Amino acid sequence: SYVLTQPPSVSVAPGQTARITCGGNNIGSKSVHWYQQKPGQAPVLVVYDDSDRPSGIPERFSGSNSGNTATLTISRVEAGDEADYYCQVWDSSSDHHYVFGTGTKVTVL
Amino acid sequence: EVQLVESGGGLVQPGGSLRLSCAASGFTFSSYAMHWVRQAPGKGLEYVSAISSNGGSTYYANSVKGRFTISRDNSKNTLYLQMGSLRAEDMAVYYCARDPTGDYADNYFDYWGQGTLVTVSS
Repeated sequence: SYVLTQPPSVSVAPGQTARITCGGNNIGSKSVHWYQQKPGQAPVLVVYDDSDRPSGIPERFSGSNSGNTATLTISRVEAGDEADYYCQVWDSSSDHHYVFGTGTKVTVL
Repeated sequence: EVQLVESGGGLVQPGGSLRLSCAASGFTFSSYAMHWVRQAPGKGLEYVSAISSNGGSTYYANSVKGRFTISRDNSKNTLYLQMGSLRAEDMAVYYCARDPTGDYADNYFDYWGQGTLVTVSS
């Protein structure tokens, strides 16, 4: 089964840059997608296909993917970015096929 | 505007059944594959099931295979999840989510509903 590992938490000051990693075996060969989930709300897609942004998502959100690590970068962090973030890939050999990362809580100091 | 509205959640006893619905609007429902994803209280996201745009193909995670059935009625723009033999570990918020294509393989979820809570307890 394919496992995606994320740090449980990331803390960042307003205006600084937050980097959230998603580790998986040869994840660079897969397409990685990222979701933001604020408390009590449904997830929202913020990056798809490694680095593309859906319409309406600020340019401050960007993604990269290489080797065994994918990264979601949030530039010029704002208080409203405080949320849980999940990475996701498709892995046909896994039980769930759609695999989610363990999630990262981003705290804005 | 794309909208997905789940309903049907509630309290059910272990071993019981429940049917969830997801009413879709704001897009051509019959053109898109659909998914169910769940989230246990305080936990992460877990994939549950998928159905192709025409309903001809379905997929289930092993954890629900044989107990849950996904279906859709394209004439009513509605997605369903029939859940049976419910267990304590099935307790979660269930989200329906749209696939950006008509086939559910190797994609992501571009729109999500607000979720409906299923509580399994005696």
